[in-house]
Amino acid sequence: SQQGEEDPQALSIQEGENATMNCSYKTSINNLQWYRQNSGRGLVHLILIRSNEREKHSGRLRVTLDTSKKSSSLLITASRAADTASYFCATDLDNYGQNFVFGPGTRLSVLP
Amino acid sequence: DAGVIQSPRHEVTEMGQEVTLRCKPISGHDYLFWYRQTMMRGLELLIYFNNNVPIDDSGMPEDRFSAKMPNASFSTLKIQPSEPRDSAVYFCASSSTTRYNSPLHFGNGTRLTVT
Repeated sequence: SQQGEEDPQALSIQEGENATMNCSYKTSINNLQWYRQNSGRGLVHLILIRSNEREKHSGRLRVTLDTSKKSSSLLITASRAADTASYFCATDLDNYGQNFVFGPGTRLSVLP
Repeated sequence: DAGVIQSPRHEVTEMGQEVTLRCKPISGHDYLFWYRQTMMRGLELLIYFNNNVPIDDSGMPEDRFSAKMPNASFSTLKIQPSEPRDSAVYFCASSSTTRYNSPLHFGNGTRLTVT
Protein backbone atom coordinates (compact mmCIF):
# COMPACT_ATOMS: atom_id res chain seq x y z
CA SER A 1 0.00 0.00 0.00
CA GLN A 2 1.18 3.51 -0.67
CA GLN A 3 2.69 5.70 2.01
CA GLY A 4 0.90 8.83 0.86
CA GLU A 5 -2.68 9.20 -0.29
CA GLU A 6 -4.03 12.41 -1.76
CA ASP A 7 -7.58 13.51 -1.42
CA PRO A 8 -9.60 14.32 -3.45
CA GLN A 9 -8.61 12.35 -6.53
CA ALA A 10 -9.93 15.12 -8.76
CA LEU A 11 -10.92 18.73 -8.13
CA SER A 12 -12.50 21.22 -10.49
CA ILE A 13 -12.75 24.90 -9.59
CA GLN A 14 -13.20 28.28 -11.21
CA GLU A 15 -10.31 30.64 -11.76
CA GLY A 16 -9.79 32.86 -8.74
CA GLU A 17 -11.04 30.29 -6.25
CA ASN A 18 -8.83 28.53 -3.74
CA ALA A 19 -7.92 24.86 -4.12
CA THR A 20 -7.17 22.60 -1.19
CA MET A 21 -5.64 19.16 -1.51
CA ASN A 22 -4.91 16.78 1.31
CA CYS A 23 -2.34 14.07 1.85
CA SER A 24 -2.35 11.34 4.46
CA TYR A 25 0.52 9.01 5.22
CA LYS A 26 1.10 5.99 7.39
CA THR A 27 4.56 6.01 8.99
CA SER A 28 6.81 8.57 10.61
CA ILE A 29 8.53 10.95 8.25
CA ASN A 30 11.46 13.35 8.18
CA ASN A 31 9.84 15.60 5.63
CA LEU A 32 6.98 15.83 3.18
CA GLN A 33 7.17 17.36 -0.26
CA TRP A 34 4.59 18.50 -2.79
CA TYR A 35 5.11 18.25 -6.53
CA ARG A 36 3.16 19.36 -9.59
CA GLN A 37 2.94 17.49 -12.88
CA ASN A 38 1.66 19.07 -16.04
CA SER A 39 0.32 16.76 -18.72
CA GLY A 40 3.12 14.97 -20.56
CA ARG A 41 5.85 16.40 -18.36
CA GLY A 42 7.92 15.37 -15.38
CA LEU A 43 7.16 16.33 -11.81
CA VAL A 44 8.25 19.71 -10.54
CA HIS A 45 9.05 20.33 -6.90
CA LEU A 46 6.84 22.92 -5.22
CA ILE A 47 7.59 22.94 -1.52
CA LEU A 48 9.14 20.88 1.27
CA ILE A 49 8.00 20.89 4.87
CA ARG A 50 10.02 19.25 7.62
CA SER A 51 8.50 17.15 10.36
CA ASN A 52 9.17 19.85 12.97
CA GLU A 53 7.39 22.51 10.92
CA ARG A 54 3.64 23.13 10.97
CA GLU A 55 3.15 25.56 8.12
CA LYS A 56 5.08 26.88 5.17
CA HIS A 57 4.34 29.44 2.47
CA SER A 58 5.67 29.96 -1.02
CA GLY A 59 3.94 32.56 -3.15
CA ARG A 60 0.31 31.45 -3.56
CA LEU A 61 1.05 28.09 -1.96
CA ARG A 62 0.47 27.25 1.67
CA VAL A 63 1.35 23.86 3.11
CA THR A 64 0.43 22.59 6.54
CA LEU A 65 1.64 19.49 8.30
CA ASP A 66 -0.01 17.72 11.23
CA THR A 67 2.26 14.90 12.34
CA SER A 68 -0.19 13.76 15.02
CA LYS A 69 -2.77 13.09 12.33
CA LYS A 70 -0.17 12.08 9.74
CA SER A 71 -1.62 14.50 7.24
CA SER A 72 -0.70 17.51 5.15
CA SER A 73 -2.63 19.95 3.05
CA LEU A 74 -1.69 22.08 0.06
CA LEU A 75 -3.65 25.27 -0.48
CA ILE A 76 -3.39 27.19 -3.74
CA THR A 77 -4.91 30.63 -3.40
CA ALA A 78 -6.39 32.70 -6.23
CA SER A 79 -6.04 29.82 -8.67
CA ARG A 80 -5.24 30.37 -12.33
CA ALA A 81 -5.85 28.24 -15.41
CA ALA A 82 -2.10 27.58 -15.47
CA ASP A 83 -2.44 25.78 -12.12
CA THR A 84 -4.27 22.96 -13.93
CA ALA A 85 -2.10 19.91 -13.25
CA SER A 86 -1.79 16.86 -11.03
CA TYR A 87 -0.41 17.41 -7.56
CA PHE A 88 1.47 14.77 -5.59
CA CYS A 89 2.71 14.52 -2.06
CA ALA A 90 5.90 12.59 -1.39
CA THR A 91 7.18 11.27 1.90
CA ASP A 92 10.62 9.98 2.71
CA LEU A 93 11.07 6.40 3.79
CA ASP A 94 14.49 6.37 5.34
CA ASN A 95 16.90 8.47 7.33
CA TYR A 96 18.91 9.30 4.25
CA GLY A 97 16.01 11.50 3.17
CA GLN A 98 16.40 10.45 -0.44
CA ASN A 99 13.99 7.54 -0.84
CA PHE A 100 10.59 9.08 -1.52
CA VAL A 101 7.17 7.50 -1.95
CA PHE A 102 4.55 9.36 -3.96
CA GLY A 103 0.81 9.29 -3.50
CA PRO A 104 -1.61 8.74 -6.42
CA GLY A 105 -2.11 12.48 -6.87
CA THR A 106 -4.94 14.97 -7.14
CA ARG A 107 -5.98 16.14 -10.61
CA LEU A 108 -6.79 19.83 -10.41
CA SER A 109 -8.71 21.55 -13.19
CA VAL A 110 -8.99 25.33 -13.02
CA LEU A 111 -11.67 26.58 -15.37
CA PRO A 112 -11.34 30.07 -16.89
CA ASP B 1 21.16 24.31 -16.42
CA ALA B 2 19.60 21.90 -18.91
CA GLY B 3 17.88 19.84 -16.26
CA VAL B 4 17.56 16.07 -16.32
CA ILE B 5 17.62 14.82 -19.88
CA GLN B 6 15.94 11.59 -20.91
CA SER B 7 15.91 9.84 -24.23
CA PRO B 8 14.04 8.79 -26.18
CA ARG B 9 10.83 10.70 -25.40
CA HIS B 10 8.73 7.99 -26.96
CA GLU B 11 9.51 4.36 -27.65
CA VAL B 12 7.25 1.88 -29.39
CA THR B 13 8.46 -1.68 -29.56
CA GLU B 14 7.18 -5.20 -30.01
CA MET B 15 6.95 -7.72 -27.24
CA GLY B 16 10.20 -9.58 -26.76
CA GLN B 17 12.43 -6.77 -27.95
CA GLU B 18 15.11 -5.14 -25.82
CA VAL B 19 14.46 -1.58 -24.73
CA THR B 20 17.08 0.82 -23.39
CA LEU B 21 16.12 4.10 -21.74
CA ARG B 22 18.73 6.75 -21.10
CA CYS B 23 19.18 9.49 -18.55
CA LYS B 24 21.61 12.33 -18.02
CA PRO B 25 21.26 13.79 -14.50
CA ILE B 26 21.93 17.38 -13.52
CA SER B 27 25.65 17.98 -13.25
CA GLY B 28 26.83 17.73 -9.66
CA HIS B 29 23.88 15.71 -8.43
CA ASP B 30 24.93 12.56 -6.62
CA TYR B 31 21.58 10.75 -6.46
CA LEU B 32 19.78 9.30 -9.45
CA PHE B 33 16.35 7.68 -9.41
CA TRP B 34 14.30 5.70 -11.90
CA TYR B 35 10.51 5.83 -11.51
CA ARG B 36 7.69 4.22 -13.48
CA GLN B 37 4.27 5.87 -13.77
CA THR B 38 1.06 4.10 -14.77
CA MET B 39 -2.59 4.93 -14.25
CA MET B 40 -3.12 1.79 -12.21
CA ARG B 41 -0.10 1.93 -9.92
CA GLY B 42 0.86 5.60 -9.92
CA LEU B 43 4.50 6.57 -9.52
CA GLU B 44 6.71 3.69 -8.42
CA LEU B 45 10.37 3.88 -7.47
CA LEU B 46 12.30 1.23 -9.37
CA ILE B 47 15.89 1.85 -8.28
CA TYR B 48 18.14 4.60 -7.06
CA PHE B 49 21.87 5.25 -7.11
CA ASN B 50 24.18 7.26 -4.90
CA ASN B 51 27.54 8.19 -6.39
CA ASN B 52 26.91 5.70 -9.21
CA VAL B 53 26.31 2.81 -6.79
CA PRO B 54 22.87 1.15 -6.66
CA ILE B 55 21.45 1.65 -3.17
CA ASP B 56 17.97 0.14 -3.40
CA ASP B 57 16.67 -1.91 -6.31
CA SER B 58 13.80 -3.52 -4.46
CA GLY B 59 11.33 -1.80 -6.77
CA MET B 60 12.68 -3.42 -9.92
CA PRO B 61 9.81 -5.64 -11.07
CA GLU B 62 11.80 -8.68 -12.12
CA ASP B 63 15.00 -9.89 -13.69
CA ARG B 64 13.97 -8.53 -17.05
CA PHE B 65 14.78 -5.06 -15.71
CA SER B 66 18.33 -3.87 -15.15
CA ALA B 67 19.83 -0.45 -14.50
CA LYS B 68 23.38 0.82 -14.69
CA MET B 69 25.18 4.02 -13.91
CA PRO B 70 28.66 3.75 -15.42
CA ASN B 71 29.55 7.34 -14.52
CA ALA B 72 28.12 10.39 -12.80
CA SER B 73 26.57 11.77 -15.97
CA PHE B 74 24.79 8.79 -17.47
CA SER B 75 22.41 6.01 -16.52
CA THR B 76 20.45 3.40 -18.44
CA LEU B 77 17.39 1.32 -17.67
CA LYS B 78 17.12 -1.78 -19.78
CA ILE B 79 14.18 -4.13 -20.25
CA GLN B 80 14.92 -7.44 -21.90
CA PRO B 81 12.67 -8.98 -23.08
CA SER B 82 9.93 -6.36 -23.01
CA GLU B 83 6.29 -7.24 -22.38
CA PRO B 84 3.03 -5.29 -22.97
CA ARG B 85 2.61 -4.80 -19.19
CA ASP B 86 5.85 -2.79 -19.20
CA SER B 87 4.03 -0.03 -21.08
CA ALA B 88 4.31 3.08 -18.91
CA VAL B 89 6.07 6.41 -18.60
CA TYR B 90 9.54 6.01 -17.14
CA PHE B 91 11.04 8.96 -15.31
CA CYS B 92 14.56 9.65 -14.27
CA ALA B 93 15.21 12.10 -11.44
CA SER B 94 18.31 13.41 -9.72
CA SER B 95 19.07 15.22 -6.49
CA SER B 96 21.98 16.55 -4.51
CA THR B 97 22.90 15.83 -0.91
CA THR B 98 24.77 19.04 -0.50
CA ARG B 99 21.49 19.92 1.17
CA TYR B 100 19.74 17.31 3.28
CA ASN B 101 16.32 16.34 1.93
CA SER B 102 16.93 18.20 -1.31
CA PRO B 103 14.11 17.97 -3.85
CA LEU B 104 14.02 15.66 -6.81
CA HIS B 105 14.52 17.10 -10.29
CA PHE B 106 12.64 15.06 -12.88
CA GLY B 107 13.19 14.60 -16.57
CA ASN B 108 10.23 14.71 -18.93
CA GLY B 109 10.06 10.96 -19.12
CA THR B 110 10.09 8.25 -21.76
CA ARG B 111 6.69 6.96 -22.82
CA LEU B 112 7.14 3.27 -23.57
CA THR B 113 4.56 1.30 -25.53
CA VAL B 114 5.09 -2.43 -25.93
CA THR B 115 2.74 -4.06 -28.44
